[in-house]
Order: sequence, then structure tokens, then C-alpha cells
Amino acid sequence: SYELTQPSSVSVSPGQTARITCSGDVLAKKYARWFQQKPGQAPVLVIYKDSERPSGIPERFSGSSSGTTVTLTISGAQVEDEADYYCYSAADNNVVFGGGTKLTVL
Amino acid sequence: EVQLVESGGGLVQPGGSLRLSCAASGFTVSSNYMSWVRQAPGKGLEWVSVIYSGGSTYYADSVKGRFTISRDNSKNTLYLQMNSLRAEDTAVYYCARDMADWGQGTLVTVSS
Repeated sequence: SYELTQPSSVSVSPGQTARITCSGDVLAKKYARWFQQKPGQAPVLVIYKDSERPSGIPERFSGSSSGTTVTLTISGAQVEDEADYYCYSAADNNVVFGGGTKLTVL
Repeated sequence: EVQLVESGGGLVQPGGSLRLSCAASGFTVSSNYMSWVRQAPGKGLEWVSVIYSGGSTYYADSVKGRFTISRDNSKNTLYLQMNSLRAEDTAVYYCARDMADWGQGTLVTVSS
């Protein structure tokens, strides 16, 4: 089975750029998605196909990929972006989430 | 508008069974791949199961042989039959369409 590794926490000040990485062998051959989850709420898709942004997601959210690592970038992070972020990928009917990264914006 | 509403959660004793439902509107369940994902209290997301439009089903090793995913096209509803429940199955269970749109979840607590 595959594994995805994320840092447990990232902290930035409002207006700074936040970068959250996700690493795993599966990312070399399959796309990743990123989900945002705020306390008590369901996850929300913010990035798919490594770098595509669903409609309604602010432009400050972007994604990139290099080899076995994908990165979620929040340019000019806002206080409301404080949340848990999970990467996700799937291959060969194996579906995997990263362990999650708590983003603190203060 | 896509809507997913889970129901059927609750308190069940270890070894017991529960069936979760996910009522869908705004799209056709059988035309998409539908997943169940769970989240134990204070923990991360864990994929549980998927059913594809063609009917193929797959499960996480942790639930294989105990859980069954299915759908009722006439009711446009997704199900998760959970048997032989264990304490470690305690979680909020979410259904998702194409792993893009999610319901609000239903809490399953396995405890004596």
C-alpha cells in the first residue's frame, strides 16, 4: 500500500505565504488532491490534478508537483485559511490520505 | 446543486451492525464513483470504501470482510453496511462524490 507524508504543522503570519508539502512514491505516477478541513466541518476540495483549482476556491490557493512531492501554496494567507489540510492520491485501487497538516495563521 | 446527506449513525455495541445511508440529490449516484471516508475523533481522514459507476467495489484492509458498500439507483442512495463493529471503527463517516463533494458526516460510536 502507498503512504503520503505531510508535516504535522505549519505556521505563518497573515499575509505571508504558506507552503505545505506531501511526499510519496505514488505521486510520481498519480495526481494529488488537497482538502481543507475546518473544525466541525466536512473536508473541502481546494486543489485537484496537482494544480487545478475548483470553482469558488480563492486564487491564493495553488498547487505544484515535482517528482514524488506535491506542494500546496497559499499566497497571502488569511486568518480564515487556518485549518487542517490533507493531501490525497489513489493508484491500483489503493486510496491514501496524508496524515494532515495543521495550518496556523496568526 | 449537489447534496449528500448521511444518516444511520449512532451508538452500537462491539460486534454489532449498523447501516449508513447517503442520500444524494443534484446528480445520479450510479454515474459517479462514490466513496466512504471516516475520521476517528481527533484523527485524520481514512478512506474506507469506493464503488465505481460500473459496480466494482474496493475496501480498505481495515474493513475488508466486515463492511459492504452498495447503492440503490431507484433511491439515488449510497449505503455502507457495517458488521462485526469494533471500538476502532468509532468515527464520523462521510460519503463523497468523485472525492470532490462531501456530505456533513454521521457519527458512529462503538462502545459497550
